Amino acid sequence: EADIYQTPRYLVIGTGKKITLECSQTMGHDKMYWYQQDPGMELHLIHYSYGVNSTEKGDLSSESTVSRIRTEHFPLTLESARPSHTSQYLCASSDPGQVGTEAFFGQGTRLTVV
Amino acid sequence: ELKVEQNPLFLSMQEGKNYTIYCNYSTTSDRLYWYRQDPGKSLESLFVLLSNGAVKQEGRLMASLDTKARLSTLHITAAVHDLSATYFCAVDVGGSRLTFGEGTQLTVNP
Repeated sequence: EADIYQTPRYLVIGTGKKITLECSQTMGHDKMYWYQQDPGMELHLIHYSYGVNSTEKGDLSSESTVSRIRTEHFPLTLESARPSHTSQYLCASSDPGQVGTEAFFGQGTRLTVV
Repeated sequence: ELKVEQNPLFLSMQEGKNYTIYCNYSTTSDRLYWYRQDPGKSLESLFVLLSNGAVKQEGRLMASLDTKARLSTLHITAAVHDLSATYFCAVDVGGSRLTFGEGTQLTVNP
């Protein structure tokens, strides 16, 4: 069983607030990812990291930012939340030492901005 | 830009029946993954397909990959209610970054 944790699971917040979604994994994986998923839709990669101090933007443009100061921790921050940010955010990690290994996903954070 | 297309997007079937979900993708890749998602939950890895002709089976599900046709299939045998979920295929575009299909929402009726 994968050990990747996201907090909070659910968040309802007012427009203009700053929020940070937490993601931690205990598997020692170098590669970590953030995906955004609207209800009933596919996942879109918004950020990824291949290791400490490495962050890149994904395929879907996002106003969020990420940081990777520690291997196990990959938080996502929205400086000023808007209703258009309402979505589910899924964090994942994978082991670069194994070719073709699958990504393991956290439980997700369901964000609602009112 | 890589496109990953699944069909059907919605599938309602009776218990005991067989069916196949198709996943087409638009660029060369030899790494394809199938995931399952239950409502309100995260993604569960089902299959990892790493080469042309790869076939994997787990219970009533069998997945295959044809890299030349850029096609993967997920075959369901003798469906049961517990298989009701949304199934996603995902293609590795490099560096383990995944591009997902739209998902197939499967409902198995008694």
